[in-house]
Amino acid sequence: GEDVEQSLFLSVREGDSSVINCTYTDSSSTYLYWYKQEPGAGLQLLTYIFSNMDMKQDQRLTVLLNKKDKHLSLRIADTQTGDSAIYFCAESTGGNTGKLIFGQGTTLQVKP
Amino acid sequence: NAGVTQTPKFQVLKTGQSMTLQCAQDMNHEYMSWYRQDPGMGLRLIHYSVGAGITDQGEVPNGYNVSRSTTEDFPLRLLSAAPSQTSVYFCASTLAGRGGTQYFGPGTRLTVL
Repeated sequence: GEDVEQSLFLSVREGDSSVINCTYTDSSSTYLYWYKQEPGAGLQLLTYIFSNMDMKQDQRLTVLLNKKDKHLSLRIADTQTGDSAIYFCAESTGGNTGKLIFGQGTTLQVKP
Repeated sequence: NAGVTQTPKFQVLKTGQSMTLQCAQDMNHEYMSWYRQDPGMGLRLIHYSVGAGITDQGEVPNGYNVSRSTTEDFPLRLLSAAPSQTSVYFCASTLAGRGGTQYFGPGTRLTVL
């Protein structure tokens, strides 16, 4: 079945760039998403990319999609302590019906 | 708009008890979903609905029932709670169309003793 994999932990220094990686299996996914979850809170949509795009940039966030390798990455430029959170990659499945398959989440720790 | 609301925020149940987790959205979204979040496992889809009167199973539906009598509400029922259902439950609604952006509620933390 569909599966989404992420590394579990990333630690960076404040001001550095962070790159969080994700691989997925469903080649028919229309959209791929990045969500952020702060402690005790729900999920906040950061950005998404349509499957026919290679790159999407939104302020400090850059999403890269390699559809051939089924690899998605999220780059956060000038990482701040407020970026410390869990980041989830997700792929859409079953068309645009709200069915998402999530990765396990990557905990980003930003050291001052 | 209040967005997606969930009640209660916290709940403790004994094994075998039943309860309903409430979810409502005021954005007129057609699609709604329930997920559970367990440590190290991300979010897993329990049930989803593409419109009033239409529901379907997700990845982990056993032990849960849903119904969708109105566009706004999508309650999740636990008929006989088990310790394995201890988790954080998130409801989400989706704007149909470009991006299928999902909006998540704040979650319900459920403990089954």
